[in-house]
Amino acid sequence: AQTVTQSQPEMSVQEAETVTLSCTYDTSESDYYLFWYKQPPSRQMILVIRQEAYKQQNATENRFSVNFQKAAKSFSLKISDSQLGDAAMYFCAYSWPFQGAQKLVFGQGTRLTINP
Amino acid sequence: KAGVTQTPRYLIKTRGQQVTLSCSPISGHRSVSWYQQTPGQGLQFLFEYFSETQRNKGNFPGRFSGRQFSNSRSEMNVSTLELGDSALYLCASSLAGPETQYFGPGTRLLVL
Repeated sequence: AQTVTQSQPEMSVQEAETVTLSCTYDTSESDYYLFWYKQPPSRQMILVIRQEAYKQQNATENRFSVNFQKAAKSFSLKISDSQLGDAAMYFCAYSWPFQGAQKLVFGQGTRLTINP
Repeated sequence: KAGVTQTPRYLIKTRGQQVTLSCSPISGHRSVSWYQQTPGQGLQFLFEYFSETQRNKGNFPGRFSGRQFSNSRSEMNVSTLELGDSALYLCASSLAGPETQYFGPGTRLLVL
């Protein structure tokens, strides 16, 4: 069964510093997608970044980048120059194409606090 | 483009009642998925609809059901509500396959 594990329930970082959130997953599929979603107190789930498993290059979106290690089944998120608005729950998620259908499997989340 | 919308945003029901939640996907998106979020179980997949057909279903009892209309709008229904059904119900849409899903603001259901 596909599972996603986030081993850090909580993390904190000083404003303007860099923080890395960890995620590991378990799958026997070769074609899949990985995502990081952010959920602020408003509870709106916001896409942060996405990675296709067939791409070797790590995805980057402005201050957000990932370290995708396919063999190790690891997918960490690095947030550079942390800002107060980055404070939220961060969820790592996995999706794979199964007969055209899809579903996201989420990790338990990491609560990120930004200290001013 | 307008984002995913969900109605109502908040709902209070009593045990034994039934409830219907609505989700309107992003224009052009044909896949709609539903998720339940609780503090204890986290985010769990309920089901996914594409072109009015359920393509995928999570491990939830038959009290949880859904449907999708020809305009891709989707509804989910929970019958005979239990206290444990109190949760945030999130709807997400995508174009067709396993690409990025975009989430709505959720419906917060409280069962008393």
